[in-house]
Amino acid sequence: EAGVAQSPRYKIIEKRQSVAFWCNPISGHATLYWYQQILGQGPKLLIQFQNNGVVDDSQLPKDRFSAERLKGVDSTLKIQPAKLEDSAVYLCASSSFTSHSPLHFGNGTRLTVT
Amino acid sequence: AQSVTQLGSHVSVSEGALVLLRCNYSSSVPPYLFWYVQYPNQGLQLLLKYTTGATLVKGINGFEAEFKKSETSFHLTKPSAHMSDAAEYFCAVSEVGAGNNRKLIWGLGTSLAVNP
Repeated sequence: EAGVAQSPRYKIIEKRQSVAFWCNPISGHATLYWYQQILGQGPKLLIQFQNNGVVDDSQLPKDRFSAERLKGVDSTLKIQPAKLEDSAVYLCASSSFTSHSPLHFGNGTRLTVT
Repeated sequence: AQSVTQLGSHVSVSEGALVLLRCNYSSSVPPYLFWYVQYPNQGLQLLLKYTTGATLVKGINGFEAEFKKSETSFHLTKPSAHMSDAAEYFCAVSEVGAGNNRKLIWGLGTSLAVNP
């Protein structure tokens, strides 16, 4: 089966600019996650979708971050405006809808904010 | 709330030596436990998981982990390290959140170096 696809792989922007990341999950996976991973740390959940509905966005900085999952398939994560501390790897993951289904991760987008 | 502690942010072993990565968790309910591996510039990949049943779980690449309820531990082991095992390893526990939704609580990770 094809894995989780993310683009772009790398992005460099200046602070106060905007940026968007795209994710295509594994076909048939109802649950989609966006994680932020700062260098040397574990993944931090930003938002979780179940089909096209938001299940958990408690750690999403909603003043600058937004995400959508149109039609319950692809998803985009946007940052506007970016801050220096947003420099991180943004990981997308998907899973089927069972309580102990493993997450399948994409290779991530490495964002550098200068 | 549940939490995950990985003892040792950096572990270094010689090629062929035993690998032991430690993970302890706190949970008031039977946990689902996971180990993921992250190679440089890649996403995370599932190594193994414990849900129910046999407490010794075998995963990919020769890794295994044992769920010990009395010790609230889920340590990851491999009898003989290979150079290709050098990576970041994350332990995670599944917790039930708002709306009966399960979400993963992650440890901070352990970086494994394998020396020739």
